[in-house]
Amino acid sequence: ETGVTQTPRHLVMGMTNKKSLKCEQHLGHNAMYWYKQSAKKPLELMFVYSLEERVENNSVPSRFSPECPNSSHLFLHLHTLQPEDSALYLCASSQDRTPRAGEQYFGPGTRLTVT
Amino acid sequence: DAKTTQPPSMDCAEGRAANLPCNHSTISGNEYVYWYRQIHSQGPQYIIHGLKNNETNEMASLIITEDRKSSTLILPHATLRDTAVYYCIVRVMNTGFQKLVFGTGTRLLVSP
Repeated sequence: ETGVTQTPRHLVMGMTNKKSLKCEQHLGHNAMYWYKQSAKKPLELMFVYSLEERVENNSVPSRFSPECPNSSHLFLHLHTLQPEDSALYLCASSQDRTPRAGEQYFGPGTRLTVT
Repeated sequence: DAKTTQPPSMDCAEGRAANLPCNHSTISGNEYVYWYRQIHSQGPQYIIHGLKNNETNEMASLIITEDRKSSTLILPHATLRDTAVYYCIVRVMNTGFQKLVFGTGTRLLVSP
């Protein structure tokens, strides 16, 4: 248990569906991250929010839309996804702008399958 | 950020020390070495980080060479639960936003 929770843990959706992934951190951190991990590929950083402001948007297609309503919650809204978007989506948090900013704490991930 | 090079895989017997090497020959003076691991289908887990002195915590030890061009993560008594992919990452330590860039890591297999 890292203090970062993600729901749902597994999601199967059709290409025309709209769904959302949720992440919550109980660590008092001020930065939250979305990563994508496809089969046999390194983790790819998608979005970063620091102090609730988006500071990184790594050329992610617009069918992925992040939302950070406060420092403890992060969402990833999904719509009209493609089969190649099937992957493990990981959320992480850290205490940005401190010497411990490089210590990121990850959630268990959401395994997404797009059919 | 400097690039790191790690062997793709290593084996270790249970109870023995696992020594995982990492080369970072282009590391800058203000870059720290971080280690994470990822157990199958779970999120990565922070292990340890250091600048130039050796570091130890409850999970592992980090040995950084004097020229800082390479480092070794040591798991002193490996268990089956240490089977995972281990990532070595270099990152500037400052109080502004800096991302972690994960490579392909070393897949450590601990066997009975």
